[in-house]
Formats: sequence, C-alpha cells, structure tokens
Amino acid sequence: AQSVTQLDSHVSVSEGTPVLLRCNYSSSYSPSLFWYVQHPNKGLQLLLKYTSAATLVKGINGFEAEFKKSETSFHLTKPSAHMSDAAEYFCVVSDWTNQGGKLIFGQGTELSVKP
Amino acid sequence: EAQVTQNPRYLITVTGKKLTVTCSQNMNHEYMSWYRQDPGLGLRQIYYSMNVEVTDKGDVPEGYKVSRKEKRNFPLILESPSPNQTSLYFCASSTPLAGGTFSYNEQFFGPGTRLTVL
Repeated sequence: AQSVTQLDSHVSVSEGTPVLLRCNYSSSYSPSLFWYVQHPNKGLQLLLKYTSAATLVKGINGFEAEFKKSETSFHLTKPSAHMSDAAEYFCVVSDWTNQGGKLIFGQGTELSVKP
Repeated sequence: EAQVTQNPRYLITVTGKKLTVTCSQNMNHEYMSWYRQDPGLGLRQIYYSMNVEVTDKGDVPEGYKVSRKEKRNFPLILESPSPNQTSLYFCASSTPLAGGTFSYNEQFFGPGTRLTVL
C-alpha cells in the first residue's frame, strides 16, 4: 500500500532563509509524487510533481523537490523564503489501479515565515 | 477559465437534514473525486468516479452518496448528516495522460465547502 509521512507538522523560518519540508513515502512500485500547497481559506494548488523523468523536479514560485529512491524521500526545498510562502503544504502519492484510484495525502506541514 | 466549482462554499445545518454539495468542472475531465479534510489527517477520499455512471467508494464513504449522470457534475449527497461529518470538503477532477494513465497527472481542486453539522 502507498503512504506518505510528513516529518514535521510545523516549520518556522525567517524571510530570506532556506525552506526544507520533509516527506518520506512508502510504495510497492515506482511512485508518482506531488507537492500541493494550501493557503489559508483557499483550495489546493499543485506546486510540482515527480513523473520519473528527472529526480530533481522544479515547481512554481521557486520550489523544487528531489526524489531519492534509496532514502524513499521527496523533500521540498526553496532557497529563500518569502512571506507569501506561509501556508500548509501536503506531500502526496498517487495510488492507481485499472479500476481507479486516489491521491494519498500526508498530514500536512504548516510553514510560518517570520519577517 | 478552467476550474472546478463547488456550492455552497459554507453551510451550517442540523443533524438529519438532507443536503447536497454540488461540484462542476469545465475541463471535460473523466475522473472526479470527493475528499474531506480534517485537522491532522490531511485529505481522505470519500468517493470517486472514473466516468459517467461509474462511481466507487474511497476510504471514508460511510454516510455519503454520489452520482455521475453528466460528465461535468459530481454532487455529494448527505442523506442524514451527523456531527462527525463536520469537515472541509474538496472536489477534484483529472484526465488521463496520453496512453490512458491517470497516475502521473495532477488533480485540480475546487475551492472547498466548509460544512458544519449541529
């Protein structure tokens, strides 16, 4: 069965410093992995996705994530945090069969950005 | 503009009073799904639909019904709501990539419906 674990429920950084949001996954086959962001009182927006074409994935707003099979990790990073990055971030694995499927969400990491 | 819309956005109701949350997408997507979001649990799938007249249970289907009579619409029905269904609900849609796989394709989410059942 597929699953994801986000290792931190809350991360706080200062504006201009790097961001690291950690995610480990469990998968019985080559996974499809995503990071979604949810700003307060908003819906979910796709940041980036891993499709097995490249292990380093670049997303919107300067975020990127690296797929490391040996470590079963898909950590999200950004070199310099901006106040507008404050939001909740979800690491997600796709779980599909021929009959259908779903996205499996981690518990979420709330990112706070201090001035 | 390509989008998933949900109505209502906010709803307060009482136990046992039937309600429907509508979901509509304008992207001609085959796949649609409902999730509920609860603190500390992330999002969990309630029901999904692979195409018109094809629906199936997700992880937490108890107390919910869905229908897919048209491609664009996927309403969520609570026949007899209870307080434990108080949650934030999201509808999502997707389409397969070339070759027919959904696995690598993103899902597009609606803005959410915050439901409170008293």
